[in-house]
Amino acid sequence: DAGITQSPRHKVTETGTPVTLRCHQTENHRYMYWYRQDPGHGLRLIHYSYGVKDTDKGEVSDGYSVSRSKTEDFLLTLESATSSQTSVYFCAIRSGETSTDTQYFGPGTRLTVL
Amino acid sequence: GNSVTQMEGPVTLSEEAFLTINCTYTATGYPSLFWYVQYPGEGLQLLLKATKADDKGSNKGFEATYRKETTSFHLEKGSVQVSDSAVYFCALTSSGSARQLTFGSGTQLTVLP
Repeated sequence: DAGITQSPRHKVTETGTPVTLRCHQTENHRYMYWYRQDPGHGLRLIHYSYGVKDTDKGEVSDGYSVSRSKTEDFLLTLESATSSQTSVYFCAIRSGETSTDTQYFGPGTRLTVL
Repeated sequence: GNSVTQMEGPVTLSEEAFLTINCTYTATGYPSLFWYVQYPGEGLQLLLKATKADDKGSNKGFEATYRKETTSFHLEKGSVQVSDSAVYFCALTSSGSARQLTFGSGTQLTVLP
């Protein structure tokens, strides 16, 4: 257990509404990541953070924004949700910063956009 | 760019059968390689990893060897149990500072009693 929680765990929303997902960690890791999981695609990186207020885009960042105002919290925002953003979202932290580092994942948030 | 190709599923085995799930990769530099497992309704758990060529990762009876010459990291277990039923993901890290993971599409394993 890497001390990662995600909230909410499940959410149903309507197209066009804003949605914010929260990832919280208790172990002061510098790097945090947001991935989405879709059938046939494994997990794909949306955004990541390498420190407070330091973020960068991943492979599938369109339609998403992130913020990190505290080390322990990494927020993912869908400004105007679309049905294509229906997915399971996972947060991860990186333990270690060398070539032997490992990412550990939170329990996930299942988001349905109607 | 980096990519991971995983054996297509689903895979169905009887208890105590031998398991192999193939994984090959394309990457620049010297990535670390991982197997993650996802049980129904749960997040991803690290199963094992290897950080350099010829390293063998092992955990809970599962093994995988980092083969640079064949760019492979196949997952094996000598005798599967019903409790091993899950989705297995092969992944690698990028060589840059982001160290983002690139995943295969996952392999669903079902073990029957």
